[in-house]
Amino acid sequence: EAGVVQSPRYKIIEKKQPVAFWCNPISGHNTLYWYLQNLGQGPELLIRYENEEAVDDSQLPKDRFSAERLKGVDSTLKIQPAELGDSAVYLCASSPYETGLDGELFFGEGSRLTVL
Amino acid sequence: SQQGEEDPQALSIQEGENATMNCSYKTSINNLQWYRQNSGRGLVHLILIRSNEREKHSGRLRVTLDTSKKSSSLLITASRAADTASYFCATDREYGNKLVFGAGTILRVKS
Repeated sequence: EAGVVQSPRYKIIEKKQPVAFWCNPISGHNTLYWYLQNLGQGPELLIRYENEEAVDDSQLPKDRFSAERLKGVDSTLKIQPAELGDSAVYLCASSPYETGLDGELFFGEGSRLTVL
Repeated sequence: SQQGEEDPQALSIQEGENATMNCSYKTSINNLQWYRQNSGRGLVHLILIRSNEREKHSGRLRVTLDTSKKSSSLLITASRAADTASYFCATDREYGNKLVFGAGTILRVKS
């Protein structure tokens, strides 16, 4: 069974440029998460989807970040324009549970963003 | 802000020794999970313990939960060099519907 797939694995851009990350969750997993992980820190939730609905986006900086999950499968996270402080690893995770809290989350390898 | 606080921040031991990591949290929880993250990789789930459980085992892992003290510990017995990684606790806050991670413990096992 394929795991959570993320791309790109690494991205280097200059500040003020746009960037997009893509995530393909495990087949059949209705719940999808985007997490931000700064160096030396634990992941912090940006947004949680149940199917195509964003049920928790309270931590998403909506002035520059946007996300979508069309058809309730793949998801894209976009930053426009990127700032120096956005340099981090962006992790996608999925879960077969409706709330994701009854069991484990399955994480992708992450997309490491460097903003110069 | 992060719910869990792991202790110690870093731990260095010899292969074969036991490693103990602790996690403290602030609010009532439904369950607590432990994850491992190898350098440059995603997180991998290790074990989940529910609020009505006190101890759980999985292979060389032993997790305890003390809800009165709002704390949990992860014990890795007979450590191996391959156990070198960061370990995170994550709590599901009661009514919060959100899994919140701590800052992690960096474990280094020397061979």
